[in-house]
Amino acid sequence: QQQVKQSPQSLIVQKGGISIINCAYENTAFDYFPWYQQFPGKGPALLIAIRPDVSEKKEGRFTISFNKSAKQFSLHIMDSQPGDSATYFCAAWSTLGRLYFGRGTQLTVWP
Amino acid sequence: NAGVTQTPKFHILKIGQSMTLQCTQDMNHNYMYWYRQDPGMGLKLIYYSVGAGITDKGEVPNGYNVSRSTTEDFPLRLELAAPSQTSVYFCASSRGTAGYTFGSGTRLTVV
Repeated sequence: QQQVKQSPQSLIVQKGGISIINCAYENTAFDYFPWYQQFPGKGPALLIAIRPDVSEKKEGRFTISFNKSAKQFSLHIMDSQPGDSATYFCAAWSTLGRLYFGRGTQLTVWP
Repeated sequence: NAGVTQTPKFHILKIGQSMTLQCTQDMNHNYMYWYRQDPGMGLKLIYYSVGAGITDKGEVPNGYNVSRSTTEDFPLRLELAAPSQTSVYFCASSRGTAGYTFGSGTRLTVV
């Protein structure tokens, strides 16, 4: 079954708006939650990550909000730009030595 | 620093043929992974390795084989190619919870 559930599958946002992508997990043993950004024809690249002892992490226009009790985390992109148009994957790290990925969100930012 | 290098970038394979997708990393990462990416389905783990000489199956290992004789190299072997193996294949490496570094992918078409 899907270890990490991600929504929405696609998202269209106007330039300057806020993009929000949500993820949920079940396994409480996950201890590291990264987000990856993928442009067409490229491999995914690490964007930002958080550990479960922190409720929020901000890097520039990108913020992860983490709710440990609800087992949910989300990516917020402030002042979204056309250059942010990409596919975003949330993930969770297992102590078995691998990441479990969500199915991805295709973000389109209209100018 | 080259990071994770995958070859070839593109390939067309006939049904029933075999081939090896190459992956090498120069970051001295212990962990290495092979994923396939199909449209709208996210990243599915084929095989992974936590160190030289150690490999383990992921979610979709059927039709594939791997070996890890060195820290740097993690080739993926396709035996008796089938149209269902048409996909984009990504290799990644990791030192653990520092996150994955992905290669640029191999786009494989089986006809």
